[in-house]
Amino acid sequence: EDQVTQSPEALRLQEGESSSLNCSYTVSGLRGLFWYRQDPGKGPEFLFTLYSAGEEKEKERLKATLTKKESFLHITAPKPEDSATYLCAVQTSLRGGSARQLTFGSGTQLTVLP
Amino acid sequence: KAGVTQTPRYLIKTRGQQVTLSCSPISGHRSVSWYQQTPGQGLQFLFEYFSETQRNKGNFPGRFSGRQFSNSRSEMNVSTLELGDSALYLCASSLVAGGVYEQYFGPGTRLTVT
Repeated sequence: EDQVTQSPEALRLQEGESSSLNCSYTVSGLRGLFWYRQDPGKGPEFLFTLYSAGEEKEKERLKATLTKKESFLHITAPKPEDSATYLCAVQTSLRGGSARQLTFGSGTQLTVLP
Repeated sequence: KAGVTQTPRYLIKTRGQQVTLSCSPISGHRSVSWYQQTPGQGLQFLFEYFSETQRNKGNFPGRFSGRQFSNSRSEMNVSTLELGDSALYLCASSLVAGGVYEQYFGPGTRLTVT
């Protein structure tokens, strides 16, 4: 069974204080790893897709990296508007090779204080 | 381009009743997935529809069902509601099914069962 674990559960940062969120996974046949941001009362907003170990993607203050066992979401000089819950999800293969549904981690609740 | 829309946004029902939720995917997207989100269990996959056919199903009882129409719009139905069905129900659409494609989420329907 696919398992996704995110840490820490909650993180409080001062504005400008860089940090990283972790997503570790135990799956067979990773097809893709996704990062989402979710604001209270809203649906998850897509951020990144990573396909293979060593891949990196950046968007504004966010940078996602992937190894064979985990992914990191690095937040550089965060601002209060970066406060949200960050979710990672993995997609593996069904028998026959097509992609399975997403399996989500429980998320990291990030609070950036001004 | 308009995003994923879900109706209604909020719903209050009584135990034993049934409910139908609606989802309109992003124009051109043919795959629709449904998720249940609760504080205790996080985001859990319900089912996925593609070309009016259920392609994949999560571990939920048969009280949860869905369908997809020829215009890719989807509905999910929950019969004989239980208190534990109170959750945020999220719909996500992607271009096609079977590959590693990003899923884009709607704002969700907040269901409260009393």
